[in-house]
Amino acid sequence: EADIYQTPRYLVIGTGKKITLECSQTMGHDKMYWYQQDPGMELHLIHYSYGVNSTEKGDLSSESTVSRIRTEHFPLTLESARPSHTSQYLCASSAPDLDSMELFFGEGSRLTVL
Amino acid sequence: AQSVTQLGSHVSVSEGALVLLRCNYSSSVPPYLFWYVQYPNQGLQLLLKYTTGATLVKGINGFEAEFKKSETSFHLTKPSAHMSDAAEYFCAVSERGRGNKLVFGAGTILRVKS
Repeated sequence: EADIYQTPRYLVIGTGKKITLECSQTMGHDKMYWYQQDPGMELHLIHYSYGVNSTEKGDLSSESTVSRIRTEHFPLTLESARPSHTSQYLCASSAPDLDSMELFFGEGSRLTVL
Repeated sequence: AQSVTQLGSHVSVSEGALVLLRCNYSSSVPPYLFWYVQYPNQGLQLLLKYTTGATLVKGINGFEAEFKKSETSFHLTKPSAHMSDAAEYFCAVSERGRGNKLVFGAGTILRVKS
């Protein structure tokens, strides 16, 4: 069973608030990812990191930002939430072995912005 | 650019019937291919993957998929559906050399009728 945790699982906030979605993994994986998931749509990669102090934007443009100060921790921040940010955010990590190619996912953080 | 098309956003089968979920991909280089399953209010879990070697891949819970290069397909099958198979299934592709960045399809919701 994967050891990757996301908090909060559910968050309802008002427009303009700053929010941080937490993601932690205990597997020592260097690679971590944030995907955005909307009903009936593809999962879209919004951020990824290949190690400490390494962050890159994904294929889908996002107003969120991420940081990677510690290997196990990859938080996502929205400075000023808007209703368009309402979505489910999935965090994932993977081992360095390229042949593995397996992503381990957290249970997701469902954000609703009113 | 890579892309994944899952034919049918919803599939309904009777318990004990064959499950067939369709996935077609586009990739400019030989791909890595994956199927993930997502149960309600949970993260994604790897069902099976194709990287190299045998084109018929067996996964967990009795699922299997066959990589057909000529058809650019990676359809998921299970001979006999069980009620516990009801979930959303995602096909994903990654190009060799792009690390572990996966491109996902829009998902297929499988309903199993008793």
